Amino acid sequence: KAGVTQTPRYLIKTRGQQVTLSCSPISGHRSVSWYQQTPGQGLQFLFEYFSETQRNKGNFPGRFSGRQFSNSRSEMNVSTLELGDSALYLCASSLVALAGGDTQYFGPGTRLTVL
Amino acid sequence: AQTVTQSQPEMSVQEAETVTLSCTYDTSESDYYLFWYKQPPSRQMILVIRQEAYKQQNATENRFSVNFQKAAKSFSLKISDSQLGDAAMYFCAYSPSEKLVFGKGTKLTVNP
Repeated sequence: KAGVTQTPRYLIKTRGQQVTLSCSPISGHRSVSWYQQTPGQGLQFLFEYFSETQRNKGNFPGRFSGRQFSNSRSEMNVSTLELGDSALYLCASSLVALAGGDTQYFGPGTRLTVL
Repeated sequence: AQTVTQSQPEMSVQEAETVTLSCTYDTSESDYYLFWYKQPPSRQMILVIRQEAYKQQNATENRFSVNFQKAAKSFSLKISDSQLGDAAMYFCAYSPSEKLVFGKGTKLTVNP
């Protein structure tokens, strides 16, 4: 079974631009979660999507948004980029929603650099 | 607030020795899940071990085992017979409901 894939792997943007990151979960997985990883803050939960619905959202501004499609693929969008948005963005998929305590399978991440 | 604390930013161990990584968490929930994830350098994060809070028996997975103390809100990871491939960042994570809260991680170095 193919693992979680994320595209693109690397991205360089300038302040004020917007960016869209994509995540394809493991086949059959219906939950996709997004995390931001930085050296200072560590891993922080952004949001989870399950069956095309956002189930929960972390403490991030409204510039961070996402969606999930009927095939469970998910996209994350960040508008009006700031320097502090530079981070590794990880996506993870699982069979059931996070509330079920299922194992999360992580993708390789997208390294976003904001100049 | 739900927080996870890993008090050891870095640890080192000799190959074939045993090492224990500490993790404590703060919660008012009675039902939740705990995880240890491993992130090798430039590689994907993978699950090491998972524990359900309602189970008193400590989870084990080959050379990896946990010491789960629910009352103390402690969830340490023991790695036996350490191997060079165990070198990585180890993250403790806590899942109360519909989110996953991670600790800041412990960088484990394995010396040959």
